[in-house]
Amino acid sequence: GAGVSQSPRYKVAKRGQDVALRCDPISGHVSLFWYQQALGQGPEFLTYFQNEAQLDKSGLPSDRFFAERPEGSVSTLKIQRTQQEDSAVYLCASRLNWASYNEQFFGPGTRLTVL
Amino acid sequence: AQSVTQLDSHVSVSEGTPVLLRCNYSSSYSPSLFWYVQHPNKGLQLLLKYTSAATLVKGINGFEAEFKKSETSFHLTKPSAHMSDAAEYFCVVRFGNQFYFGTGTSLTVIP
Repeated sequence: GAGVSQSPRYKVAKRGQDVALRCDPISGHVSLFWYQQALGQGPEFLTYFQNEAQLDKSGLPSDRFFAERPEGSVSTLKIQRTQQEDSAVYLCASRLNWASYNEQFFGPGTRLTVL
Repeated sequence: AQSVTQLDSHVSVSEGTPVLLRCNYSSSYSPSLFWYVQHPNKGLQLLLKYTSAATLVKGINGFEAEFKKSETSFHLTKPSAHMSDAAEYFCVVRFGNQFYFGTGTSLTVIP
């Protein structure tokens, strides 16, 4: 596609439910990033993939958060037993490759509300 | 440690007047710095980036930023604000594969 897409755009979950958020990066982009953006804050890094390898997951806030990219393209961010503090916009970004001068392209985000 | 501080959470300017959005950074290394813009319900868009070439960086839509090492600053400017510039602006420092975002500055343009 022309850009990074994410689905769903909006998700409402009851506390304790599991959710799965999908990211479709730009075709051919090797690097993929997940960010969490709380209301009124800047995005915060969660995790990074290069192809199917998860090279950095230092930003994941707890073991309830899990991300995968099994075939090196689409990625899923899963949150188990959601809590109210998980309410945020989850952003996905992709980059052509590991080269630092390449731009990160962001998707529109998934707004998660946990009731 | 790498971080950025955006000194103003809200900036309001009249249409046609200059824009100044302030950013100070902290980095143990020669930094890569970026400005992103976020319009409501749209994805983050890169305005410009500094990667140790020219200290004055020109971006899209008439924006530019100057890297000042002595002041550890990377302020974003535009000579004349347009209504379409109203958005949230983020200053970002990159370290490795991690991008560290500031808390954002909301720009309001008054007609």
